[in-house]
Amino acid sequence: DAGVTQSPTHLIKTRGQQVTLRCSPISGHKSVSWYQQVLGQGPQFIFQYYEKEERGRGNFPDRFSARQFPNYSSELNVNALLLGDSALYLCASSLGGADLPFFGPGTRLTVL
Amino acid sequence: DAKTTQPPSMDCAEGRAANLPCNHSTISGNEYVYWYRQIHSQGPQYIIHGLKNNETNEMASLIITEDRKSSTLILPHATLRDTAVYYCIVRVAPGGYGGSQGNLIFGKGTKLSVKP
Repeated sequence: DAGVTQSPTHLIKTRGQQVTLRCSPISGHKSVSWYQQVLGQGPQFIFQYYEKEERGRGNFPDRFSARQFPNYSSELNVNALLLGDSALYLCASSLGGADLPFFGPGTRLTVL
Repeated sequence: DAKTTQPPSMDCAEGRAANLPCNHSTISGNEYVYWYRQIHSQGPQYIIHGLKNNETNEMASLIITEDRKSSTLILPHATLRDTAVYYCIVRVAPGGYGGSQGNLIFGKGTKLSVKP
């Protein structure tokens, strides 16, 4: 069975631009979470969605937004990119919100 | 903030057991201990989790002290491919209401280097 998939693998943007990252969960999983991992740190929680509703939000500015679609895939949007947004963005899926999360390979975002 | 404390780095000889400690002195009665690892620039990989009894699977063993304030992840025969950052996380029990929040709070983890 396919695991969590994310696209694109790598992305380069300039300051001020907007970016959309995509995630497809494991088949049957209804919850998706997003994490940001900057170099040298552990992943930091951004959002969790379950059945298309936001179930949790980390300490991130309003420039970060997300949504979940009827097929349970998800998008993470970041507006007005800053240099500090350069990071590995990880998506994790789980059956339900508190079930075991399984992570995708991540999207490496570089902001110049 | 993370509710766990781990040493920043450890070395282990290939073929020997790797014992990774974790302190979680403020763990609540309904919280489990989870271990994930992250091989360079990949997504974190689930290893094992437990509540209070020792657990073993095909990847590792988890030993939790009786007072549940600390635990040890054991990789019985470390290989070079086990070189990674290992994260110890305390979190609510898996399952429950589907809409429950279950985000993971990561610390900096332990960088395990397995050497030939």
